[in-house]
Amino acid sequence: DTGVSQNPRHKITKRGQNVTFRCDPISEHNRLYWYRQTLGQGPEFLTYFQNEAQLEKSRLLSDRFSAERPKGSFSTLEIQRTEQGDSAMYLCASSLAPSGGGTDTQYFGPGTRLTVL
Amino acid sequence: QQQVKQSPQSLIVQKGGISIINCAYENTAFDYFPWYQQFPGKGPALLIAIRPDVSEKKEGRFTISFNKSAKQFSLHIMDSQPGDSATYFCAASIRGSARQLTFGSGTQLTVLP
Repeated sequence: DTGVSQNPRHKITKRGQNVTFRCDPISEHNRLYWYRQTLGQGPEFLTYFQNEAQLEKSRLLSDRFSAERPKGSFSTLEIQRTEQGDSAMYLCASSLAPSGGGTDTQYFGPGTRLTVL
Repeated sequence: QQQVKQSPQSLIVQKGGISIINCAYENTAFDYFPWYQQFPGKGPALLIAIRPDVSEKKEGRFTISFNKSAKQFSLHIMDSQPGDSATYFCAASIRGSARQLTFGSGTQLTVLP
């Protein structure tokens, strides 16, 4: 399977614990996005990487959240001191920036469902 | 601030019928409008997309109608099939370095056999 992969698929944790999710984008895709999706809602943008550089962060991304993309390949999203309000599906998407301008298609992974007890 | 409003929240259609989902946006800087389809346990998948320089785009049974002056766009699914049962999201993005997508709240479509 050459699509976007995310691990783990499910994570249950207790409030106050730290969790880390991993996203492996489609190879050669230089853009990587993290979104959060709560039940019954559309995904909300969290942050964006172009290669290894984190270029944009949503105000939804509190200081308890940190994302990295070392070497411009896979990415990790860490949530420190989890709260019950962090329970959601965390989606990763990747795309290839078009060389001549235009619009790139974002391909989404299956997501990591986080439950904070 | 919700910038893309989607309706209806849920839709039930008979097999062979037409499914219509509507979206309205506020930010006139949006210049790319995709529709995503999401099945349970899966991530969203791009279905069809349109730019504001055209009023309609058709791909197979799926058509986007776009009304720039009204800041509205809609998805029409012709000859709806049970396999189309899924959640549909409209989205929009602004030309720029990030191209982050702003999604609507979703429409859960059920096509009855």
